[in-house]
Amino acid sequence: EPEVTQTPSHQVTQMGQEVILRCVPISNHLYFYWYRQILGQKVEFLVSFYNNEISEKSEIFDDQFSVERPDGSNFTLKIRSTKLEDSAMYFCASSERTGGGYTFGSGTRLTVV
Amino acid sequence: AQSVAQPEDQVNVAEGNPLTVKCTYSVSGNPYLFWYVQYPNRGLQFLLKYITGDNLVKGSYGFEAEFNKSQTSFHLKKPSALVSDSALYFCAVTPPDSWGKLQFGAGTQVVVTP
Repeated sequence: EPEVTQTPSHQVTQMGQEVILRCVPISNHLYFYWYRQILGQKVEFLVSFYNNEISEKSEIFDDQFSVERPDGSNFTLKIRSTKLEDSAMYFCASSERTGGGYTFGSGTRLTVV
Repeated sequence: AQSVAQPEDQVNVAEGNPLTVKCTYSVSGNPYLFWYVQYPNRGLQFLLKYITGDNLVKGSYGFEAEFNKSQTSFHLKKPSALVSDSALYFCAVTPPDSWGKLQFGAGTQVVVTP
């Protein structure tokens, strides 16, 4: 069964450093997403991406965040200057079409120290 | 604003008994509804979805859910629970005009005892 792959599974970074979280969506999917889950809290929507541009973003997705699809397979989330409160599990997801089943990756646990 | 409520933090059930995980939502229009399951240190696994059509939706691993528009509910059910069903279950909703922006419930921990 096709999977969404995320790397690394766990990243520790110092406050103020830049991090890039990487995702390989399912190959025939056209819609891409990032979500995050702070420990013990709900899964929260960050951003959706289609046709090489952001379709929608949440209030969380401020100027510190950016997304990119640098080639035909990867989809990345960059946090420019990490804060302690950015510590969370970050999930990438993709879907073939709108309203379809969204396939999530296993997540990257980001720890900011 | 859309919202999803999972009123139970935890559901305990004996193996072989029916399992129900409750979900209610508040969304304008006709929402898309989903159930996901999360095992420890794993991602979110898709169980089933309701877009339109038959109110009873069948999904993976023997789970099903019933869409009830009048009660704005989408409860997840399994006739006979297994110990391996112990996990964290999330209900999610997205309005059709805001695709991909899933709003998740807080999650319900299911504990199935032998």
